[in-house]
This record gives sequence, structure tokens and C-alpha cells, in this order.
Amino acid sequence: DAGVIQSPRHEVTEMGQEVTLRCKPISGHNSLFWYRQTMMRGLELLIYFNNNVPIDDSGMPEDRFSAKMPNASFSTLKIQPSEPRDSAVYFCASSSADNTEAFFGQGTRLTVV
Amino acid sequence: AQSVTQLGSHVSVSEGALVLLRCNYSSSVPPYLFWYVQYPNQGLQLLLKYTSAATLVKGINGFEAEFKKSETSFHLTKPSAHMSDAAEYFCAVSDYYSGNTPLVFGKGTRLSVIA
Repeated sequence: DAGVIQSPRHEVTEMGQEVTLRCKPISGHNSLFWYRQTMMRGLELLIYFNNNVPIDDSGMPEDRFSAKMPNASFSTLKIQPSEPRDSAVYFCASSSADNTEAFFGQGTRLTVV
Repeated sequence: AQSVTQLGSHVSVSEGALVLLRCNYSSSVPPYLFWYVQYPNQGLQLLLKYTSAATLVKGINGFEAEFKKSETSFHLTKPSAHMSDAAEYFCAVSDYYSGNTPLVFGKGTRLSVIA
């Protein structure tokens, strides 16, 4: 398996623009997690899905952030409008009920200028 | 709610020396504990996990960790550091034996290995 695939790997955008991050989980995994990593706050859980249904989005910082999982093989995290403080590395991870660990993608490094 | 505390944001050791990275957890139920490693510009990779079987857990790359309930600890060790061990290490906890719940991560410890 190719593992969790995230795109793009790097994104530079101007403040106010819409940003969409994409994730393809490992085939057969039914849970998907979005994390954000910053120097100050470490790894924070933003939202997670089970069987394509959002279970907990309490980590989403503001209404500017939204996430969708239209099917078992694809998820998006959207920021609209983006702000400089959104600059971070965003990770997607997936897992299944019979695995205790999560498998991470390579991450998307977002820079908002 | 569960939480993890990693003592020391940066640890520096000489090549060949013992590596000790500290992790203490808080959990209202028997926890499941994990160590992940992150190399520069990479995602997180599982090193090892404790899921209530043996308290001494062996992982990849010669790392091991011991679960100590009385101390609420899960410290990561390696007898002899190698230059390739330089990376960021994260301890994580989960209350449930299921991949369908998210892990809670510590803030990480950056390991430097000096030649």
C-alpha cells in the first residue's frame, strides 16, 4: 500500500485566500484524523471521522476551518479565508478498528503570507 | 481526559551513549501508549506500542519502553545512540483499544546525537 497520501506537500498562499488540503487514507481504514503541528502547540487534533462521519470537530480553531469526507478514500480540510497564524504543518492520519496505531501522511506545510 | 507530558523538549547525547526520553501519562482507565518518531520533513512513524500485554515493549531500530503503572510512566530507551537516531520523538496515549479513537500526543522531544 502507498500509505496515507497528502497533497500538496507545500502550499504558500496570501492572507485571505482559500486553501484546500487533501488526504487519501490507506485503503480499508475507516477512521481519518486531521492534526496540526506548530512549534508552540505541538500536535493538535483538529477533527476526526469514523466511516466518513465527523465524530469530533472540537479542535477546529474557528469557523474559517471546515473538513469533509465525501467517501472512504478522500478527505479535504479547507481554510477560508486563510490568515498568517494558520501557518503550520497539517497531517492526515488513518486507522482501522483492529489497529491501535494511526498511520500518518507526509504532511502539508502551509505558509500564509 | 487523558494527557501526556514529555520531560525535556531537547535531549542531546553522544554517539554510543544511552538514550532516555521521558514520558508520563494521565488516564482514568488503563491506557494504551505509543512512541512515534518524526524525521525532518516527514510524517510520524510508529516506534512501538504498549497495549496491556508485556510491560517491556521492544520496537524498531533498537528502541524499547517500559510501562510502569505505579509511576504512570512510559520512558523510551536505547542502549547506544546512533547518528541516524536524531529526530523528534512523540509519546501518545489512548484510552481505548481501537483505532477508531484519536491519540493524544505530547509536545515532543528533539533528540540530537553528537559525534
